[in-house]
Amino acid sequence: RKEVEQDPGPFNVPEGATVAFNCTYSNSASQSFFWYRQDCRKEPKLLMSVYSSGNEDGRFTAQLNRASQYISLLIRDSKLSDSATYLCVVNAGFQKLVFGTGTRLLVSP
Amino acid sequence: ETGVTQTPRHLVMGMTNKKSLKCEQHLGHNAMYWYKQSAKKPLELMFVYNFKEQTENNSVPSRFSPECPNSSHLFLHLHTLQPEDSALYLCASSQRLATEQYFGPGTRLTVT
Repeated sequence: RKEVEQDPGPFNVPEGATVAFNCTYSNSASQSFFWYRQDCRKEPKLLMSVYSSGNEDGRFTAQLNRASQYISLLIRDSKLSDSATYLCVVNAGFQKLVFGTGTRLLVSP
Repeated sequence: ETGVTQTPRHLVMGMTNKKSLKCEQHLGHNAMYWYKQSAKKPLELMFVYNFKEQTENNSVPSRFSPECPNSSHLFLHLHTLQPEDSALYLCASSQRLATEQYFGPGTRLTVT
């Protein structure tokens, strides 16, 4: 099993839609979780950290489910500018972060 | 944002050339990383430095040679590269290992 797994997509949604991505991880001892955003031919940028209690930042909500070992990202009221690849990142022990392969989101007018 | 800078932004080199990529972080972080990202592929971790000491080398060919003179600077020395080494090379830094990383804009390398 891969350390971090994501559905590559693409997820095609219209503007204004709500979309959710999940990411599963294999190391039950993982403590740190993040979502990054990467635009085409650009560097990844930190979108948000994921806390045990979940967290929300504007239209974005991140949740952690330790029992099932997955994290999720919910985007409400999608904008065209949300089109990007979303990377799930998990610490995999040995003080190392592991990046997922990313889920591509395309928001259309 | 100028937290992590990389130079050059673009580089074209022949297979017999020697060049170096430079990364500098202005965030006071203690860990620095080199990643490779080929077209439409995921990030590949190459090297990790923590307090200037290399802690990880992910089976990277010896034609890539990292150098970390202090916690703020990281270099990647390149020699006798292959065309398949053409990719985006990203530098990142973090306060500690396994905490959130901040990336530079990358160097887009083309090997001819």
